[in-house]
Amino acid sequence: EVQLVESGGGLVKPGGSLRLSCAASGFTFNNAWMNWVRQAPGKGLEWVGRIKSKTDGGTTDYAVPVRGRFTISRDDSQNTLYLQMISLKTEDTAVYYCITGRYWGRGTLVTVSS
Amino acid sequence: QAVVTQEPSLTVSPGGTVTLICGSTTGAVTSGHYPYWIQQKPGQAPRTLIYDTSNKHSWTPARFSGSLLGGKGALTLSGAQPEDEAEYYCLLSYSDARVFGGGTKLTVL
Repeated sequence: EVQLVESGGGLVKPGGSLRLSCAASGFTFNNAWMNWVRQAPGKGLEWVGRIKSKTDGGTTDYAVPVRGRFTISRDDSQNTLYLQMISLKTEDTAVYYCITGRYWGRGTLVTVSS
Repeated sequence: QAVVTQEPSLTVSPGGTVTLICGSTTGAVTSGHYPYWIQQKPGQAPRTLIYDTSNKHSWTPARFSGSLLGGKGALTLSGAQPEDEAEYYCLLSYSDARVFGGGTKLTVL
């Protein structure tokens, strides 16, 4: 059974940093392209970025609003995906989901507020 | 960056049929965009109903189907049930990004 479990969310002040993790199981993680998606309160889904598998180059792509502030990385030895967020803004407040293919995690809430 | 378009809201009668449409500002939606359809009910995490245009997940009811229709992605619900009332999002893949549509709020009434 595929499982994606996000963690690391919480309350952070504007300008602060946070690192989210996504623990993956039930599939061959090192072959998977992994994505982060977020949903602000009462809003729609927004793609944040993705990282390709190392065999496909391991490169990353990001949505325009987070480019230069967010960094996606992966540790294939630990089957874990990361999202490093810096210079956080109030508009980054959202539930952050880890997804791969057709599978979703349950999300972790990030609140950026003073 | 491309914009993915969806109807903001649609209403279908119980037992009726409705088609949700997904367009792209870059042109025709093709299988190369690997269209996904995601369902989200209030208070729940999203889940994928349809992936790669027309493939169903193990939990996808048979009454849902995905296709390409007139240069757009389409999700057809045949025989709507009250439990199908939800927000439906289209997700398209581009060379350097994936983009969600704004979502369609489907009411079964």
